[in-house]
Amino acid sequence: EAQVTQNPRYLITVTGKKLTVTCSQNMNHEYMSWYRQDPGLGLRQIYYSMNVEVTDKGDVPEGYKVSRKEKRNFPLILESPSPNQTSLYFCASSNRPTTLSSLNIQYFGAGTRLSVL
Amino acid sequence: DAKTTQPPSMDCAEGRAANLPCNHSTISGNEYVYWYRQIHSQGPQYIIHGLKNNETNEMASLIITEDRKSSTLILPHATLRDTAVYYCIVRVTQGAQKLVFGQGTRLTINP
Repeated sequence: EAQVTQNPRYLITVTGKKLTVTCSQNMNHEYMSWYRQDPGLGLRQIYYSMNVEVTDKGDVPEGYKVSRKEKRNFPLILESPSPNQTSLYFCASSNRPTTLSSLNIQYFGAGTRLSVL
Repeated sequence: DAKTTQPPSMDCAEGRAANLPCNHSTISGNEYVYWYRQIHSQGPQYIIHGLKNNETNEMASLIITEDRKSSTLILPHATLRDTAVYYCIVRVTQGAQKLVFGQGTRLTINP
């Protein structure tokens, strides 16, 4: 089954304790992205990757790192989490477009709910 | 990307057609209309997209007005599982594939 898998689904941690949220897709997609969702603010893009070893900042990259060493994996790293990073996080992927319009058809993971105390 | 306006909430009876409107009066010629939905804190799910012709797939139909300034997503026979927040997004096809989700319409299907 084609899917984007995030782990863990739920995480409670303390300020300053490094953590990694993993994201893996089995569709051989080139493009992957991380979003965070907060009440009243909608989904905001954190980082994205157009392909292996190619990453770039989204709208809210501060406090986050990513890496793309393999096509299928795109982990989100919080080196020193703070309470303002408490949020619901989504990973998404999409394929090299076969048509222009399919650029914006993205597949999302189930989400990771993070609480930083 | 063009700004979109959707009603904050709508109700629909189970088994009836749900018609969700979206205004995008500043849409430009190369922008597509995309619809996604998010079922209670799950990941957003792609539904359908179109440029200027009406589109239909197994999930829904998309009606775009001739002037392209508004569109309607139609769920022909709504079920309780269609209760979700529906997002209308207008996007160009080039550039970073960042989706900008507004507040959407919270659709409640009532039994």
